[in-house]
Amino acid sequence: EVQLVESGGGLVQPGGSLRLFCAASGFTFSNYWMSWLRRAPGKGLEWVATIKEDGSEEYYVDSVKGRFTISRDNARNSLHLQMNSLRAEDTAVYYCVRNGQNWGQGTLVMVSS
Amino acid sequence: DVVLTQSPLSLPVTLGQPASISCRSSQSLVHSDGNTHFNWFQQRPGQSPRRLFYKASNRDSGVPDRFSASGSGTDFTLQISRVEAEDVGVYYCMQATHWPHTFGQGTKLEI
Repeated sequence: EVQLVESGGGLVQPGGSLRLFCAASGFTFSNYWMSWLRRAPGKGLEWVATIKEDGSEEYYVDSVKGRFTISRDNARNSLHLQMNSLRAEDTAVYYCVRNGQNWGQGTLVMVSS
Repeated sequence: DVVLTQSPLSLPVTLGQPASISCRSSQSLVHSDGNTHFNWFQQRPGQSPRRLFYKASNRDSGVPDRFSASGSGTDFTLQISRVEAEDVGVYYCMQATHWPHTFGQGTKLEI
């Protein structure tokens, strides 16, 4: 069974940093592109970033370019999102997603002073 | 960026009645690989999103056959033949043909 378990969310002040983790199991992690998506309170879903199977390509939504970095460790079956210079508008539940088909339960990031 | 426009944004329905959601894209979603990377998602209250359809009309495993999806190019439709109580939630279209991937605004289906 495919499982994606996110962690690392929490409350952070504007301008601060957080690093999200996603532990993957139940499939060959290194064979799949992986993504982070989010849903802000009262808003719709938003794609944030995607990384290729071997980590050689990364794509980001414009609003996070230069602030967020997606990475992966295929040896440890884990996906990461380093978030710097956080803003109030980054407040959201962040989901780790495989191929659009499998989603984790999400981790809440709140950016507030 | 590709803009996906869903309609309606709010969809009150009666149990047992049909429902339909439209999604229109600002540009063709046919990829250079020949596929149309267009998906429909459902997010029930308090749950993570769930993909219902991929490549415009391919049903995901476990999705009831009262759900159907169609469309090509720039116009796509999600239909529910007979709405059940468990269908309450927000439905999103999403394109993964062009970077950045984008979602429609979401359609809230309520009984």
